[in-house]
Order: sequence, then C-alpha cells, then structure tokens
Amino acid sequence: EAGVAQSPRYKIIEKRQSVAFWCNPISGHATLYWYQQILGQGPKLLIQFQNNGVVDDSQLPKDRFSAERLKGVDSTLKIQPAKLEDSAVYLCASSRTSGGIYNEQFFGPGTRLTVL
Amino acid sequence: AQSVTQLDSQVPVFEEAPVELRCNYSSSVSVYLFWYVQYPNQGLQLLLKYLSGSTLVESINGFEAEFNKSQTSFHLRKPSVHISDTAEYFCAVSYTGKLIFGQGTTLQVKP
Repeated sequence: EAGVAQSPRYKIIEKRQSVAFWCNPISGHATLYWYQQILGQGPKLLIQFQNNGVVDDSQLPKDRFSAERLKGVDSTLKIQPAKLEDSAVYLCASSRTSGGIYNEQFFGPGTRLTVL
Repeated sequence: AQSVTQLDSQVPVFEEAPVELRCNYSSSVSVYLFWYVQYPNQGLQLLLKYLSGSTLVESINGFEAEFNKSQTSFHLRKPSVHISDTAEYFCAVSYTGKLIFGQGTTLQVKP
C-alpha cells in the first residue's frame, strides 16, 4: 500500500511570495489533515477534511492560508503572501475516517518551507 | 482544553543504556494517548498507543509506555537503546479524533 505522498519536499521563497503544497493521501482514506511543524515544536493542526468538506479549520490563518480538496482525494495548501514566520515543515496526514473511537493517522514526509 | 508537555527537549544516552522520555498531559476528559517517532527527513510514524485496557503498552521494537491516570503521565521507556533509535519523539493526545502534540524530545544515542 502506497503511503501519503507530498510535493515538493523542499521550497525556498522570499517573503510576500506565494507557494503551494500538494498532498495525495492513501487510497481510500476519507480524512485528510494538514499540519504545520515549526522548528522545535510539535505539529499543529491547520485544517482537517472529511472527503471534500472542511471539518476543522479553526487554527488556519485564513487571511493568508487556503486549502482545498475538490474531488475528495488529493489536496493543495496555499500560502499567499508568505511571511518569515511561515518557515516550517508542512505535514499531510490521512486516515480512513474521523471521529469514533480512534482512526490512525498516516503521515507523509512533509514539505520544508524556508521563507527568506 | 487538552495539552501535552514533554519535559525534556533533548535526551543524550549511550548505546545499550536504558532511557525514559517523559510526557505529561492535561485534560478534563478521557483521552487517547500516543507516541510518534520522526526519523530525519521523514514523516511521523506511530510508535504505540493507549486507547483502553492494560495501562502498559508495547511497540514491536522494544519501547513501552505506561498510562498513569493519577499522575496524568504517559512516559516512554526502553531498557536498552540502539544507535538506530536516534530520532525525534512526540507524545500526543487525541480527543474526538484531533491530535494535539507535545514539543518533542530528541533522543541522541551515542556509541
């Protein structure tokens, strides 16, 4: 079974530029998550999708961050415009579903963003 | 609100020595507890989890963690570490499916 795929693996941009990250979850997984992991901190959930609907985006900075999962499969996270404090690793994860007792989340390798 | 505190940011240890990575959580409701491991340039991998039942849980590579409800702790232990255990370890809690992570502990195993 193929894992969660993310691209690009690394991205360097200047502040005020735009950037987009792509994630392809494990086949059949209905739930997709985007996390931000700042150096020295644990991952923080930005947004959670169930199929193509948003379940939780309470910690997404909506003035500059946006995400979509139009067909309920792969997803794109965009930052426009980027700030220095957006430098982080952006992790995508997926699970079969959400809620219930527990559904294991499987993580991709992440995209390391550096904003200069 | 739920929160997780990992008491040590870095833990250096010699190969074949025992190790304990400490994790405390705060929650007013029952939660599920997890340890994830992150090797360099890789994503997070689930190491072990506590959902219910026995308070001592084990992983396939020799790690174990014990859920202590009275002390709100879920410390990770291994009796003898290997060089290959060098990684970042994250403790996490889950309530209604949302994962909340601690700050992480870097385990540095020295030869």
